[in-house]
Amino acid sequence: KQEVTQIPAALSVPEGENLVLNCSFTDSAIYNLQWFRQDPGKGLTSLLLIQSSQREQTSGRLNASLDKSSGRSTLYIAASQPGDSATYLCAEGGSQGNLIFGKGTKLSVKP
Amino acid sequence: KAGVTQTPRYLIKTRGQQVTLSCSPISGHRSVSWYQQTPGQGLQFLFEYFSETQRNKGNFPGRFSGRQFSNSRSEMNVSTLELGDSALYLCASRRTGANLEQYFGPGTRLTVT
Repeated sequence: KQEVTQIPAALSVPEGENLVLNCSFTDSAIYNLQWFRQDPGKGLTSLLLIQSSQREQTSGRLNASLDKSSGRSTLYIAASQPGDSATYLCAEGGSQGNLIFGKGTKLSVKP
Repeated sequence: KAGVTQTPRYLIKTRGQQVTLSCSPISGHRSVSWYQQTPGQGLQFLFEYFSETQRNKGNFPGRFSGRQFSNSRSEMNVSTLELGDSALYLCASRRTGANLEQYFGPGTRLTVT
């Protein structure tokens, strides 16, 4: 059974700190991996998509990496801000196109 | 370009009733997927529609069904509602191709009493 795990479930950091969110997956035939942000009671905002042939993607202060051999992806957030506070979800995309989600990491950035 | 829209945004229903949720994808996107989000189970895939055909289905009972229209708009129906169906229902759209980015709508919050 394909599973996606995110550790830690919650993280609290002071403003300005660089941080790493972790995501692990069991499916070696992964097509892509997508990182999302979810604010309370809202939908998902796509942050980064990494294809299986890629090693990383960058957007502003965000950098996501993908290591298929170890079944891991990381989301690096540089110089965190209070506005980054949200739940971050990673999702594995398979050949069928559906996404398998982790339970998320709830990030709190303190001013 | 308008994003994915979902209606209604909030809904309260009673056990045993049925409900229909609507999703309009981003213009040009032909694939629409539906997901259920609950605090206990997280986000789970319900089904995907492409060109008016169900292409993929998750592990949900037959009470959950959907359809897609020729303009790519999709509806999801849940019959004989149970308390456990209370959830945030999200739809996502993408262009064709399994490796393409999916864009989510704001969701419909369904409460079953």
